[in-house]
Amino acid sequence: GNSVTQMEGPVTLSEEAFLTINCTYTATGYPSLFWYVQYPGEGLQLLLKATKADDKGSNKGFEATYRKETTSFHLEKGSVQVSDSAVYFCALSLAGTSYGKLTFGQGTILTVHP
Amino acid sequence: GAGVSQSPRYKVAKRGQDVALRCDPISGHVSLFWYQQALGQGPEFLTYFQNEAQLDKSGLPSDRFFAERPEGSVSTLKIQRTQQEDSAVYLCASSLDRPNTEAFFGQGTRLTVV
Repeated sequence: GNSVTQMEGPVTLSEEAFLTINCTYTATGYPSLFWYVQYPGEGLQLLLKATKADDKGSNKGFEATYRKETTSFHLEKGSVQVSDSAVYFCALSLAGTSYGKLTFGQGTILTVHP
Repeated sequence: GAGVSQSPRYKVAKRGQDVALRCDPISGHVSLFWYQQALGQGPEFLTYFQNEAQLDKSGLPSDRFFAERPEGSVSTLKIQRTQQEDSAVYLCASSLDRPNTEAFFGQGTRLTVV
């Protein structure tokens, strides 16, 4: 079956530090890959996506590259801000289906201190 | 509406009670999804509607869970004879009916069964 594994959290960083949150997946076929973010008190929001191998998704300074050979989609940001504090979820959907049917990882809590 | 709206935001039920959770999708969104998110976990897919048709209910954990969308807009997730393990946040998402289109999530309903 399909599954997503994220690095264990929580992650605590100082402002302007470099961020990496690891994500690996198992899927039949060729999935699309996503990072969602959940800010305190808000709903899940799509942060970025990549739909095929070697694609790089980017948004708000965050980046992730779809690596088929290592079945990974690690999230990175060069310089985090306090406002990036949130829960981050890696997810996949099967190609050709709506992006709404998603398999999520367990989430990684990120806290950024001033 | 401007976004996916869910009500109530919080629900406390005594074990054995029936509950009904409501989702108002974004206007014009044909596809609607329900997810269950246990504490500290990622969301898990429950069921999917295209208009009023329930096309996938593979994630519903038991026959106590029932979802409907009779007019292809508002959806209700009903849980009968609630049990403590049903305590979770229930998320609704909606999207256009095209492959590879983004799903937008509501803020969820937090159900606590006591």
